[in-house]
Order: sequence, then C-alpha cells, then structure tokens
Amino acid sequence: EAQVTQNPRYLITVTGKKLTVTCSQNMNHEYMSWYRQDPGLGLRQIYYSMNVEVTDKGDVPEGYKVSRKEKRNFPLILESPSPNQTSLYFCASRAQTGNFSSGANVLTFGAGSRLTVL
Amino acid sequence: AQKITQTQPGMFVQEKEAVTLDCTYDTSDPSYGLFWYKQPSSGEMIFLIYQGSYDQQNATEGRYSLNFQKARKSANLVISASQLGDSAMYFCAMRERGYSTLTFGKGTMLLVSP
Repeated sequence: EAQVTQNPRYLITVTGKKLTVTCSQNMNHEYMSWYRQDPGLGLRQIYYSMNVEVTDKGDVPEGYKVSRKEKRNFPLILESPSPNQTSLYFCASRAQTGNFSSGANVLTFGAGSRLTVL
Repeated sequence: AQKITQTQPGMFVQEKEAVTLDCTYDTSDPSYGLFWYKQPSSGEMIFLIYQGSYDQQNATEGRYSLNFQKARKSANLVISASQLGDSAMYFCAMRERGYSTLTFGKGTMLLVSP
C-alpha cells in the first residue's frame, strides 16, 4: 500500500530532551515536507525537501532540523524541544511532476504525530 | 496578506442537505492549483478534490464538487447530500507554479446532524 509512515504517533517529552520524528514514504516521491498543525492556525510548513540532499525552510523552521540522506526518509529533529513546539506534526510527500496543471502532484500525508513538550 | 482565506470557522448542516464551504485565495501567478482536504476527528488528512487554474470545468469527485470562480478568486467546496461521516475539519489549500509549498487556510469545521 502506498503510504507515508510517521513515528512515533504520540510522544510526551520534557523541555530540552532531543527527539526525532521519523518519516518514510514508499512511493518514490522526490518531494517531502513537514507541517505542524495548531488550533486556529491551520497547517504551517516547517521544512521541505525537493530531493535527496536538498532541503529548505518553510514558514516556521525555528527550533527544527531536517535531513534528506535517502529518498524515502525525511526525519524531523527537535534538538532542544520547548513547550511551544507542542503540536500535531504531519509529514507529506508528492511526486515532482513536470505537469503542474494536473492533479498528479497531490500531497499525500502521514497519519500525524502528536507531540507534547512539558 | 493571507493567501488562503476560509471565513467560516464552523458550519452546521442536516443530513442529506447540501453544504458549501467557502475558500478565497490570493495570487498573482496565472498558474496554480487548488486543493481541498478533509480531516476527521481521527486526525489524518484526506485529499478530496483538485482544481487547476487552467481547468475549464469545475472539478467533481463523487459528492464533492468545486465551485471555481476564477475572477472572484474563490474555490468553494460543495458537498451534496451530506452524511454523518462528513463531520470533520475541511482545509482549502493552494500551490502556485513558482513555489513548491502547499499553503493551507485555517479550516472550517463541519458538523452534520441527523
């Protein structure tokens, strides 16, 4: 089954304890992205990657790191989590198609990772 | 300025009725795509429907249709014959050709009552 897999799905941690949320996709997608969702704010992009070894900041990158060493994996790293990073996190991927006007570039989301930082 | 505006924080509809969820967007790029996603209480993001800026016809997918009014920059989602399972948060999103990012609105919570 084509999917984006995130782990862990739920995590409670304490301020300053480094953590990594893993993301893996089995669709051979070039593009991957991380979003956070907070009440009343919708989804905001943290980082994205156009391909292996190519990453760039989204709208809210502060406090996060990413890496893209393999095409299928795009982990999100919180080096020193703080309570304001308590959120629902989504990883997503899509193909990097040349035909922008087709619906082929639909973003497929993982199930989400709910993170609480105390 | 917000690129995607969803003005209805919440909507109520009775089962079997149609409902329209509003979405307006802001872009100067002539080439863009508009998406609607559904997020049920379980939390996953489910893709519903897509409309390209050059598409001549409004997109339809089963009970979902997109009322695309390009001059007004609106892309409203119409759900016909609402079902209890349609109760969820709905997000409108846009991607412009010059950008790789999918930008989301703040969402509309739809509640369908029996």
